[in-house]
Amino acid sequence: GQNIDQPTEMTATEGAIVQINCTYQTSGFNGLFWYQQHAGEAPTFLSYNVLDGLEEKGRFSSFLSRSKGYSYLLLKELQMKDSASYLCASMDSNYQLIWGAGTKLIIKP
Amino acid sequence: ETGVTQTPRHLVMGMTNKKSLKCEQHLGHNAMYWYKQSAKKPLELMFVYNFKEQTENNSVPSRFSPECPNSSHLFLHLHTLQPEDSALYLCASSQDLENNEQFFGPGTRLTVL
Repeated sequence: GQNIDQPTEMTATEGAIVQINCTYQTSGFNGLFWYQQHAGEAPTFLSYNVLDGLEEKGRFSSFLSRSKGYSYLLLKELQMKDSASYLCASMDSNYQLIWGAGTKLIIKP
Repeated sequence: ETGVTQTPRHLVMGMTNKKSLKCEQHLGHNAMYWYKQSAKKPLELMFVYNFKEQTENNSVPSRFSPECPNSSHLFLHLHTLQPEDSALYLCASSQDLENNEQFFGPGTRLTVL
């Protein structure tokens, strides 16, 4: 079966660093996506990894290990506006996104 | 503003009502999607359209009926829904199926009484 696992909720402090992990099992693999979703709003694209390694984009970085079926999203210099849900999604062999349930990130002052 | 709009933003309907959700994208994309998002559950893909042709129907009950008159517009027709169908319904688009960075609309919050 196809499955995406990520923690339900995490808490971090403003200015700190947090890593949100995601493990995936899909029928085929065409890349791993991370999306951010603020409460009551649409998900917005953060990153896409298809090769192993780290992709850095400003304060956000995303890592992929295809052999381990593992990815993480790293958020640095946390700001209050980073409080949101972070959705991990794997693209399967049919180019469909298989989604995790999301990690709710709470940032405390 | 992602270039994908949805109306209405909120909808309350009875189980015998018929209503429609509308989605419009201004991005020139060729693929459009309907998702259902329930609290603390993964996004559930309902329908996929590519160049106006339906390519996926993930075992969605027939009380949900999609319509895609052109590449910019997508509808979800609702009829005799159940209370468990209450959820956030999200529309998304992407350039095509393989280029799958999806742009989402704000969603329609549906409550079925």
